[in-house]
Amino acid sequence: NAGVMQNPRHLVRRRGQEARLRCSPMKGHSHVYWYRQLPEEGLKFMVYLQKENIIDESGMPKERFSAEFPKEGPSILRIQQVVRGDSAAYFCASSLFPNRDTEAFFGQGTRLTVV
Amino acid sequence: TQLLEQSPQFLSIQEGENLTVYCNSSSVFSSLQWYRQEPGEGPVLLVTVVTGGEVKKLKRLTFQFGDARKDSSLHITAAQPGDTGLYLCAGGETSGSRLTFGEGTQLTVNP
Repeated sequence: NAGVMQNPRHLVRRRGQEARLRCSPMKGHSHVYWYRQLPEEGLKFMVYLQKENIIDESGMPKERFSAEFPKEGPSILRIQQVVRGDSAAYFCASSLFPNRDTEAFFGQGTRLTVV
Repeated sequence: TQLLEQSPQFLSIQEGENLTVYCNSSSVFSSLQWYRQEPGEGPVLLVTVVTGGEVKKLKRLTFQFGDARKDSSLHITAAQPGDTGLYLCAGGETSGSRLTFGEGTQLTVNP
């Protein structure tokens, strides 16, 4: 999983600021998934993207959260006007194909702290 | 909404003991994956099982997928301190668009 690169590893934001989390998938992978892990909880699916397309955003909060995966560059998870409840570890995963037999490899995560 | 329940939530054992972690659901999954996560790191895939009744072995770890593809178990033989970590099961949907994770089992193996 070292191939999926997330940055920054740690991010501190004040309430009301914007947070931008970046994810570079493994080489050759065009499917990216974002998950959120709250303290003492499991990972919760947020969004699934392919290059330039959002395929499934059913796990994304309706407001303040957005994601993109441009033709060039990393996938970005953007959180506007952060609140304390957004503090969590955000993980990105990538896969070669979007089917059940394909392994999803996770990055090391970005730990967002809202103060 | 598909849910996965893991048990036990916490497990502390001595080196050399055997243990089993369970992952249960009322829903059918197309695949079941097991991950191990260490503090400050992302989940690392251990195994994927896709066929009902399937059993896979990875050294001292044995993974089983239930016949109905609703449950799974992870058995560790002769646990070692290096096995300490958070074990997560995750169910895959047919479309492959998402994984539904259990809450995890925090395993501590004491030397």
